[in-house]
Amino acid sequence: DIVLTQSPLSLPVTPGEPASISCRSSQSLLHSNGFHYLDWYLQKPGQSPQLLIYLASNRASGVPDRFSGSGSGTDFTLKISRVEADDVGVYYCMQSVQTPLVTFGGGTKVEIK
Amino acid sequence: EVQLVESGGGSVQPGGSLRLSCEASGFTFSNYGMNWVRQAPGKGLEWVSYINSGGTTIYYADSVKGRFTISRDNAKKSLNLQMNSLRAEDTAVYYCARVASGIDYWGQGTLVTVSS
Repeated sequence: DIVLTQSPLSLPVTPGEPASISCRSSQSLLHSNGFHYLDWYLQKPGQSPQLLIYLASNRASGVPDRFSGSGSGTDFTLKISRVEADDVGVYYCMQSVQTPLVTFGGGTKVEIK
Repeated sequence: EVQLVESGGGSVQPGGSLRLSCEASGFTFSNYGMNWVRQAPGKGLEWVSYINSGGTTIYYADSVKGRFTISRDNAKKSLNLQMNSLRAEDTAVYYCARVASGIDYWGQGTLVTVSS
């Protein structure tokens, strides 16, 4: 099974400052079709998860452009260019290269300093 | 507007059974594969099961294989999860979720508590 390791586990952030979360995979997430099957989700307090980024770098509908995803192979990053108070919650990466057998990272809790 | 509404959660003793349902609206249900994903209290997300759009391809996580059964009724736009031989470690919020480019829509979840 593919294991996803996120870091850091907790990320205190200052509004207006950038933030970055790493997700490392135990195996390459590059599919034979050329796409990296790595998504990012945000679960705000008391809510269901919401899709932010799919296929490593594509913003989901309605997601602000301050969110961006990058990476390849086994190393991926979610960046928030300027954190807002509404961005707090737990961020998860998810792999689906072995779709439909998907696995999630352990999560990164983002909170305001 | 896409909506996924789960129901059927509750409290059950170990070894018992529950049937979860998810009612879909706002999209052509029969065109999409669907997942069940769960989240134990205070823990992360765990994929449980997948069913393709036609109901012909099904997968389960090892942790539930042989105990849970996923099904769907495209005419009724509903997704189901029959859960048997429940264990304490199955205690979680269960989410119904649509598979597209990523898991693009999630329900609000239904809580299942397995305790004596």
